[in-house]
Amino acid sequence: NAGVTQTPKFQVLKTGQSMTLQCAQDMNHNSMYWYRQDPGMGLRLIYYSASEGTTDKGEVPNGYNVSRLNKREFSLRLESAAPSQTSVYFCASSPDPSSGANVLTFGAGSRLTVL
Amino acid sequence: EDQVTQSPEALRLQEGESSSLNCSYTVSGLRGLFWYRQDPGKGPEFLFTLYSAGEEKEKERLKATLTKKESFLHITAPKPEDSATYLCAAPFSGGYNKLIFGAGTRLAVHP
Repeated sequence: NAGVTQTPKFQVLKTGQSMTLQCAQDMNHNSMYWYRQDPGMGLRLIYYSASEGTTDKGEVPNGYNVSRLNKREFSLRLESAAPSQTSVYFCASSPDPSSGANVLTFGAGSRLTVL
Repeated sequence: EDQVTQSPEALRLQEGESSSLNCSYTVSGLRGLFWYRQDPGKGPEFLFTLYSAGEEKEKERLKATLTKKESFLHITAPKPEDSATYLCAAPFSGGYNKLIFGAGTRLAVHP
């Protein structure tokens, strides 16, 4: 039972390079999310997708783009990486937030370093 | 402004020494207060959801409680395996989909 799978687990980029973080869930959840976690700042929402075909900005969307490829997959793209984007990125999914029970299941995280 | 604040930042306990972690929130029309546990190098794992003031939930040595302005995570007779970062979160006033997280409390339980 895989849950939420993120790839890659680690990545080092140079300033200005681009990359895509991949996320897939096998729980038939409707909603998916991308968070970043920095020391002392907790988890901050970058983008989310309430359902297949929709995406919306979170707290810190600048410098990122997302694609909800299908119900299972939600990718996060950095077009031109900056050192400020050095962080641990978590993908999460939830079944149906409108029901009120918005329990998120998280992936193991992707640690990104931008030099 | 929606905000979730946790204290203390870090807590060191001896095995068996009970204590409490605090989560205060300023979110209009609270639609759930969530507690997660995060082990080093892993993603957060769900522990509890509380919906109304006075509600309590328990799991092993953990008990979560909720008032109108804050939530507490009480740890009774902790063991070293309870060492982790504990996160609380609440949906933004604007909708269920956006959870705002506190910065967490790093708990270390020593034998």
